[in-house]
Amino acid sequence: ILNVEQSPQSLHVQEGDSTNFTCSFPSSNFYALHWYRWETAKSPEALFVMTLNGDEKKKGRISATLNTKEGYSYLYIKGSQPEDSATYLCAFLKTSYDKVIFGPGTSLSVIP
Amino acid sequence: EPEVTQTPSHQVTQMGQEVILRCVPISNHLYFYWYRQILGQKVEFLVSFYNNEISEKSEIFDDQFSVERPDGSNFTLKIRSTKLEDSAMYFCASRQDSSSYNSPLHFGNGTRLTVT
Repeated sequence: ILNVEQSPQSLHVQEGDSTNFTCSFPSSNFYALHWYRWETAKSPEALFVMTLNGDEKKKGRISATLNTKEGYSYLYIKGSQPEDSATYLCAFLKTSYDKVIFGPGTSLSVIP
Repeated sequence: EPEVTQTPSHQVTQMGQEVILRCVPISNHLYFYWYRQILGQKVEFLVSFYNNEISEKSEIFDDQFSVERPDGSNFTLKIRSTKLEDSAMYFCASRQDSSSYNSPLHFGNGTRLTVT
């Protein structure tokens, strides 16, 4: 059974705070790790696709790192804004044609 | 920008009835998926479809479920005899992939299925 875990389950931060959360996944047979943002009443939207150990990706104030040997990825948000409030999902593939398995998500609320 | 479209946005049906949820994936994508989310729970994988056949399915995807890609554009999920516990948001997604490009999932806006 493939388990993708995320922590914390939820997070409340003040506007302007920086924050980070974790995704852990099986470290054997790794193909890719995805991060998605899921806002209420919308569908999940891709943030990053990460494939190589040591990958670091950045989009504006959001960045992510990847460690495939130990099976974890961190997502960082610098200077959180209310519009960052969403559920952040990571998803794991062990092969190109495999199902994409989602973690349970981290729900972020940014308080103005 | 091309997008995945799903219809209907909301479907209400009685227990035991058949429903068909429709999706039009992005045209040059190769992999197709159905996921669902029961209210308050995590996103669950149902089935993946590649090269005109199911490539993987979860335990949820039992004999009551089937998928089809009848005409090269639509990708449908059929539930033959709905149960109350099938009430959920159903998401279709597609992905393009090749040896040189690792694509994320592109999701439709979902169909909310309510079984009464």
